[in-house]
Amino acid sequence: GAVVSQHPSRVICKSGTSVKIECRSLDFQATTMFWYRQFPKKSLMLMATSNEGSKATYEQGVEKDKFLINHASLTLSTLTVTSAHPEDSSFYICSARSGIPYNEQFFGPGTRLTVL
Amino acid sequence: GDSVTQMEGPVTLSEEAFLTINCTYTATGYPSLFWYVQYPGEGLQLLLKATKADDKGSNKGFEATYRKETTSFHLEKGSVQVSDSAVYFCALSDQGNNRLAFGKGNQVVVIP
Repeated sequence: GAVVSQHPSRVICKSGTSVKIECRSLDFQATTMFWYRQFPKKSLMLMATSNEGSKATYEQGVEKDKFLINHASLTLSTLTVTSAHPEDSSFYICSARSGIPYNEQFFGPGTRLTVL
Repeated sequence: GDSVTQMEGPVTLSEEAFLTINCTYTATGYPSLFWYVQYPGEGLQLLLKATKADDKGSNKGFEATYRKETTSFHLEKGSVQVSDSAVYFCALSDQGNNRLAFGKGNQVVVIP
């Protein structure tokens, strides 16, 4: 199957700083990438959908100015958490959707963000 | 909106026991249904899927049948192994936009 990586796997930052998380599809071109947030003992919550070369589509309640998404190429999407606060601490997971023959979403291993 | 409900709480069972994880859904259209598995330290992996009513998805000894009349997609395995210990997520996708809605997940622990 296809492989999706995320970097970093774990990050600790101070309140007020910005953090960038990368999501890469390693062996396929991803027409669409998705960003999820997972709270403890909660399901994954879709934050936004990004298509290469266009603006991301954010889910209701997700601040687009706080969670900046860039999908500059068919293999890379980035999520930047701007002016992070402790309530932004969470597990962030990306997925990449390929076209034929898979036409399914492949998930990255996730990034644990802790904001002090 | 579309949503998925999984049974509450972790599941602990002995090796070779029968596993069932319940999943029900609410959707306005005709969604595709999925089970994903997350092993410790890894990303979610697609375990099986079904795209229309009465379809049965199967993989690695796991099975789930798309039941439109009961809006359910329960996951079953006849004889679990220690290596099946993981978190299992039920999900649905609107066939038009491929956005996934997940259940809360169930931690499965298989004891030797």
